[in-house]
Amino acid sequence: GAGVSQSPRYKVAKRGQDVALRCDPISGHVSLFWYQQALGQGPEFLTYFQNEAQLDKSGLPSDRFFAERPEGSVSTLKIQRTQQEDSAVYLCASSSLFDRGEAFFGQGTRLTVV
Amino acid sequence: DQQVKQNSPSLSVQEGRISILNCDYTNSMFDYFLWYKKYPAEGPTFLISISSIKDKNEDGRFTVFLNKSAKHLSLHIVPSQPGDSAVYFCAASEGKAAGNKLTFGGGTRVLVKP
Repeated sequence: GAGVSQSPRYKVAKRGQDVALRCDPISGHVSLFWYQQALGQGPEFLTYFQNEAQLDKSGLPSDRFFAERPEGSVSTLKIQRTQQEDSAVYLCASSSLFDRGEAFFGQGTRLTVV
Repeated sequence: DQQVKQNSPSLSVQEGRISILNCDYTNSMFDYFLWYKKYPAEGPTFLISISSIKDKNEDGRFTVFLNKSAKHLSLHIVPSQPGDSAVYFCAASEGKAAGNKLTFGGGTRVLVKP
């Protein structure tokens, strides 16, 4: 497809379980972002990749969160030992280097930790 | 601390009238501002942007105004249409030096009544 694709769309995890969320960015987009959106709030920045390099991970809330983009295209956000406060929609966005913030967002993965 | 704030959580407007959405920011390093629109179960989509060197940008029915001294921006939609009913997010970026990552406000839910 032409847009940013995220999978799964919905994920229910038991507390303590590890989860992996996938993002397929728009082909050729160098920049890839992960955001976390809690219910009723705006998205919050988690981490940023330029190609395979993770240039900013200042938004990751704890060391249980880990992201990778090994070949500079598909990215995975992994959350270890999930907690209830991790319940949120996780949004992936991609953009070209020439864009100034006009990123294209995927539909998101809604994670519910029970 | 919230660097980008949208103080009106919701707005109701009659079809054909003007919708005005407001946004305030505190970080003087922001140099690019964007509005995103979000429908339920979809990711945010880019609507319009403005650079800090301008005070107005217009695109069809959408106009964004920036008042740097007041650290305030607004989005005007005229005329409003039922399809404009969505959640609107204001976002700001410190530019390429910060990887164009976005800081979002909490959103304003707009309902356009036919």
